[in-house]
Amino acid sequence: DTGVSQNPRHKITKRGQNVTFRCDPISEHNRLYWYRQTLGQGPEFLTYFQNEAQLEKSRLLSDRFSAERPKGSFSTLEIQRTEQGDSAMYLCASSLTGYGYTFGSGTRLTVV
Amino acid sequence: KNQVEQSPQSLIILEGKNCTLQCNYTVSPFSNLRWYKQDTGRGPVSLTIMTFSENTKSNGRYTATLDADTKQSSLHITASQLSDSASYICVVSANTGFQKLVFGTGTRLLVSP
Repeated sequence: DTGVSQNPRHKITKRGQNVTFRCDPISEHNRLYWYRQTLGQGPEFLTYFQNEAQLEKSRLLSDRFSAERPKGSFSTLEIQRTEQGDSAMYLCASSLTGYGYTFGSGTRLTVV
Repeated sequence: KNQVEQSPQSLIILEGKNCTLQCNYTVSPFSNLRWYKQDTGRGPVSLTIMTFSENTKSNGRYTATLDADTKQSSLHITASQLSDSASYICVVSANTGFQKLVFGTGTRLLVSP
C-alpha cells in the first residue's frame, strides 16, 4: 500500500453529465475525507467518513453531490448534472486518527 | 470565524537562498498546525505537524515554528533547491469532533536558478 489512490487523475465532461470519482485510502485508515480545491485557493472541506458512516457534510455539498463509502474501505464521490462551477481538483485524504492526514493526488475535473 | 492567513502570497528567491513563510490563524479550539507542500496538479504532502506544546519542528531543510500565544507560525526553508518550487499551505486543525482542517490559501514559492 503506497498511499491514497484517486481515480481518474483527470476528467473532462460536458455540462449536465454525471461523473463519479473513486478514492482508495490507506488500508488501515478508518477515516476518509473529501475536499475540493479551486485554482489559487486552499482545499475546502466537503465530507467526512468514519468507517462506512458519513458523519459530516459541508454546505458546499449540494444536492447534486453524493458520497459513499459502502464497506468502510474505498469511497466514491458522484456529481450529477455537472455545472461549469464544479470544475476543480477533488482531493481525498485518509487518516487513522485525526492527527496524520495523507492526501491523494486528486482528480481534476473540467466541465465544458 | 475560523481563518488561516498566509503571507506572502507569492515569493521568488534564488537557488541556495533561505526564506521564511508566515501563517496567522484564528482557529479555535486549536488542536494542531500543519505545513503542507503542494506541487502543481498534485495533492498536498505533509511537511510538519505541531501541537500547541511544540514550538519548533524540523524536517530536513524545513523548520516550522509555532507561537500558540500569538497564533502565529512560520516555515523556514534553508538552502533552497529548484525542487522547492511549490505552494506551501498552512493548515490548522480545530479540535471539533473529527479534527476539521482549516486551510490557508498558500504561499507560492518559485526558486530561480
